[in-house]
Amino acid sequence: DGGITQSPKYLFRKEGQNVTLSCEQNLNHDAMYWYRQDPGQGLRLIYYSQIVNDFQKGDIAEGYSVSREKKESFPLTVTSAQKNPTAFYLCASTGQGNTEAFFGQGTRLTVV
Amino acid sequence: GQSLEQPSEVTAVEGAIVQINCTYQTSGFYGLSWYQQHDGGAPTFLSYNALDGLEETGRFSSFLSRSDSYGYLLLQELQMKDSASYFCAVRDQSQKVTFGTGTKLQVIP
Repeated sequence: DGGITQSPKYLFRKEGQNVTLSCEQNLNHDAMYWYRQDPGQGLRLIYYSQIVNDFQKGDIAEGYSVSREKKESFPLTVTSAQKNPTAFYLCASTGQGNTEAFFGQGTRLTVV
Repeated sequence: GQSLEQPSEVTAVEGAIVQINCTYQTSGFYGLSWYQQHDGGAPTFLSYNALDGLEETGRFSSFLSRSDSYGYLLLQELQMKDSASYFCAVRDQSQKVTFGTGTKLQVIP
């Protein structure tokens, strides 16, 4: 079945360490997105990519980095520069002319 | 940039109708979408409007007025399982998708 896979579902890291969250899609979608969600809050855009080897900063890109070397993959690295990294991270994708964004099940990152 | 405003909470009775409003500011508007999210889960797509007017999908309908930068989601025949958070989202011509802060709907018996 087509969809978006995020792994792992839960992730624990020590403060000061970089961590990479995985996002893979087999929907043949061009555009991919990373959002951060804090408890009781909305989704805030971190980065998005319209096409392979290209990506743009969203509203809260500081302390994060991404790459888009393959159409299927859009990994997010949470760096030690991100001051409050503990959050729920959601990856999404949309197809060309497609109005619906498909989401992965999210990764809940806890930094201790 | 883009910004969206929604009421933070709404309470409605089972079987009733509820309307969730969304006002937005954006450049290069492409469309307005609505998503549902249950606690701990991922958002799921409900509806999309690119043109003015009403789109109906079962118990859910969505309306858009581009001239007013305004839209709403209408939920009919409310069920307990409709208790969730509802987000509007705007898409611009660069495919950037920005979400609102969400409306938490509580359906009561």
